[in-house]
Amino acid sequence: EPEVTQTPSHQVTQMGQEVILRCVPISNHLYFYWYRQILGQKVEFLVSFYNNEISEKSEIFDDQFSVERPDGSNFTLKIRSTKLEDSAMYFCASSDKRQYPNTEAFFGQGTRLTVV
Amino acid sequence: SQQGEEDPQALSIQEGENATMNCSYKTSINNLQWYRQNSGRGLVHLILIRSNEREKHSGRLRVTLDTSKKSSSLLITASRAADTASYFCATLIMNRDDKIIFGKGTRLHILP
Repeated sequence: EPEVTQTPSHQVTQMGQEVILRCVPISNHLYFYWYRQILGQKVEFLVSFYNNEISEKSEIFDDQFSVERPDGSNFTLKIRSTKLEDSAMYFCASSDKRQYPNTEAFFGQGTRLTVV
Repeated sequence: SQQGEEDPQALSIQEGENATMNCSYKTSINNLQWYRQNSGRGLVHLILIRSNEREKHSGRLRVTLDTSKKSSSLLITASRAADTASYFCATLIMNRDDKIIFGKGTRLHILP
């Protein structure tokens, strides 16, 4: 069964450093998402991406964040200068909007980011 | 206020009993989905119910949707220890279908 894969599974970084979280969405999907879950809290929407541009973003997704689909298969989330409060589990997801309104998002296993 | 709110926040039941979790939302939706998350792990999609459906079954899972009350319930029958997890409802919002909004989740603990 096709799946969304994320790498790395766990990343530890120094405060102020840049990190890039990587995702490989399901190959025929057109919509891509990043979500964040701070430990013990809800899953929060960060950004959605379609047709090589951001289609929607939340207030969390400030100038420190950026997304890119560099090569047609990977979908990355970059945090330019990490803060302690960026420590969270980051989930990538993809969906096939052609199934609308049955649009179902498939989630990766997440990258646990720890900022120290 | 949240788009998706589950209740209860936590639920402990004996193995073999049925577990019911509820979700309420505020705006019109295209569909509602339930996900499971084991502690510290990824999100597993359980079931999707469209806005024009009222009930759906998948194995031991039964989901209902009442769009007039903007609420949904997830029933897990004959619970097992492996059902211990957090359960989230997530809504695909009408006319804003670029994102899925999650509730805070219900932590379900199945007692042996």
